[in-house]
Amino acid sequence: DVQMTQSPSTLSASVGDRVTITCRASQSISNWLAWYQQKPRKAPKLLIYKVSSLESGVPSRFSGSGSGTEFTLTINNLQPEDFATYYCQQYSHTWTFGQGTKVENK
Amino acid sequence: QVQLQESGPGLVKPSETLSLTCTVSGDSISSSDNYWGWIRQPPGKGLEWIGTISYSGTLYYNPSLKSRVILSVDTSDNKFSLRLTSVTAADTAMYFCGRHRFGVGLGVWGQGTTVTVSS
Repeated sequence: DVQMTQSPSTLSASVGDRVTITCRASQSISNWLAWYQQKPRKAPKLLIYKVSSLESGVPSRFSGSGSGTEFTLTINNLQPEDFATYYCQQYSHTWTFGQGTKVENK
Repeated sequence: QVQLQESGPGLVKPSETLSLTCTVSGDSISSSDNYWGWIRQPPGKGLEWIGTISYSGTLYYNPSLKSRVILSVDTSDNKFSLRLTSVTAADTAMYFCGRHRFGVGLGVWGQGTTVTVSS
């Protein structure tokens, strides 16, 4: 099984900050990685797929990078609506989600 | 607009079988490049993939749940289903269904349905 390890588990930030979340895979997943945003009591929302492709309608302040086993989600100029929990997901070898990173208001 | 809607009992007794259905509208369940999955989220915890069925009927399971999961597709009613046998309190969670387009990720999710396992 491919394990996905996200860090940090919690991140405190302020509006306007640049935020970086890391996801590490236990083996190479090529570029089959997605990022999701989830708000309380809501279904997750796809933000980025294939490491760096922005889903339609997602603001350009979200970006993704990485390859192989190490990946990053960056949020530039953090907005109030961005306080949420973020998950990475590999879909190279079936599916696995990271454990999540909660971005909270400092 | 593609929409997914989960349905099924909100309360299941321990040792019984949890059965959920996801009804798809706005897309054909047998369209190529579509994968249909189940994901769950225990209260206060993260997302756990349960299993996926492809447009061609290929099945993929989370190894930790494989022995208890049954996935099926009803192409005539455009829906797919999850059965989880021998449930315990640890199976209490919000259950989501989702559509994964090949290479693109889970772009469409159902709103989720809460299932509680309790006597």
